[in-house]
Amino acid sequence: DARVTQTPRHKVTEMGQEVTMRCQPILGHNTVFWYRQTMMQGLELLAYFRNRAPLDDSGMPKDRFSAEMPDATLATLKIQPSEPRDSAVYFCASGLVLEARPRYEQYFGPGTRLTVT
Amino acid sequence: AQSVAQPEDQVNVAEGNPLTVKCTYSVSGNPYLFWYVQYPNRGLQFLLKYITGDNLVKGSYGFEAEFNKSQTSFHLKKPSALVSDSALYFCAVRDETGRRALTFGSGTRLQVQP
Repeated sequence: DARVTQTPRHKVTEMGQEVTMRCQPILGHNTVFWYRQTMMQGLELLAYFRNRAPLDDSGMPKDRFSAEMPDATLATLKIQPSEPRDSAVYFCASGLVLEARPRYEQYFGPGTRLTVT
Repeated sequence: AQSVAQPEDQVNVAEGNPLTVKCTYSVSGNPYLFWYVQYPNRGLQFLLKYITGDNLVKGSYGFEAEFNKSQTSFHLKKPSALVSDSALYFCAVRDETGRRALTFGSGTRLQVQP
């Protein structure tokens, strides 16, 4: 049963510390998304990649957030320095897109719950 | 731009009664519409999607959704609710270019009472 995996599942850190969240997309999927979920803002798209290249990161605060795909099996989201307002659940999702066909589903990981104190 | 509106923060229904969770959308061209469900402390799970064809789409766990182009709506329905259906439901849309990620609505919490 193929799944998106995310680590860590929970992270508590102090303001100013660096946070790194990792995602392993479903094997063979070529598109990876990062979302942030909060009570106030709901689900927000932060960034997404296709074939490891960033397609859109307009939803991401550029000064402190960065997203990368070092290889096809790993996506990372870093926050440096972290702030209390970054407290949220961060979801990774992956999908298989063929020739930009829009009908594909996005499969979500279980999320990383980040608390910044 | 593409957007989704879920006008109800919460829907309450008694077990065994039919349920409807509302969704309207805005997108350029033909829409590709999705419903996802989120259980507590879990990621979102795909329920169903509308791509083209029959306006009534059937999905997982007995859910179905009706696409209405003139009303730009894609309401989620189930003939008989279960307590275990209680969760957070998200509607999402993507335009036909496929270049964008899904845009999600704000979510509707479904509470099914025994």
